[in-house]
Amino acid sequence: RKEVEQDPGPFNVPEGATVAFNCTYSNSASQSFFWYRQDCRKEPKLLMSVYSSGNEDGRFTAQLNRASQYISLLIRDSKLSDSATYLCVVNIRSGAGSYQLTFGKGTKLSVIP
Amino acid sequence: DVKVTQSSRYLVKRTGEKVFLECVQDMDHENMFWYRQDPGLGLRLIYFSYDVKMKEKGDIPEGYSVSREKKERFSLILESASTNQTSMYLCASSSSQSSYNEQFFGPGTRLTVL
Repeated sequence: RKEVEQDPGPFNVPEGATVAFNCTYSNSASQSFFWYRQDCRKEPKLLMSVYSSGNEDGRFTAQLNRASQYISLLIRDSKLSDSATYLCVVNIRSGAGSYQLTFGKGTKLSVIP
Repeated sequence: DVKVTQSSRYLVKRTGEKVFLECVQDMDHENMFWYRQDPGLGLRLIYFSYDVKMKEKGDIPEGYSVSREKKERFSLILESASTNQTSMYLCASSSSQSSYNEQFFGPGTRLTVL
């Protein structure tokens, strides 16, 4: 079983639509969770951290279900500028005491005019 | 503005050459990472370092080595480049203070091995 699994998409949605991405992780010792965004030919950048109680940042809502080992990202009122690949990321504490990120392969979103 | 820089955006090398990829961060971060990103495989961790002169193997260290002589600089070395090392290489850094600390990425080096 892969450590972090995402639907690769692509998701093609019209402007203004609501779209949801899901992610599952296999390591129950995972300590923190993130969504990163990667634009075409660019480096990944943090979109938002995901907290146990769920959190919202403008049009973006992230949810975490530790029991089911499941993370989600909801984007409301999609904009053309939201077109990107969204990476689900899980953080595990390594034996050396530092933290190691494991990335999902990403879900590609295209918002269409 | 926080910054992670990589020595080259594009690099073309021949099979068997020794290749150095350099990464520098200006945020005084303890942790630095090297990833490669390939279509269909996502980002995979090669090596990371949590302190000067310290290094840890990631998921795919074979064929690579690293060097961290100064806190701000983390080098990835391909001792004898092979065609299957053609990839996008991304460096990142983060602070050790909390597990929620963000990893900041450099712009990447697209390496082609002929």
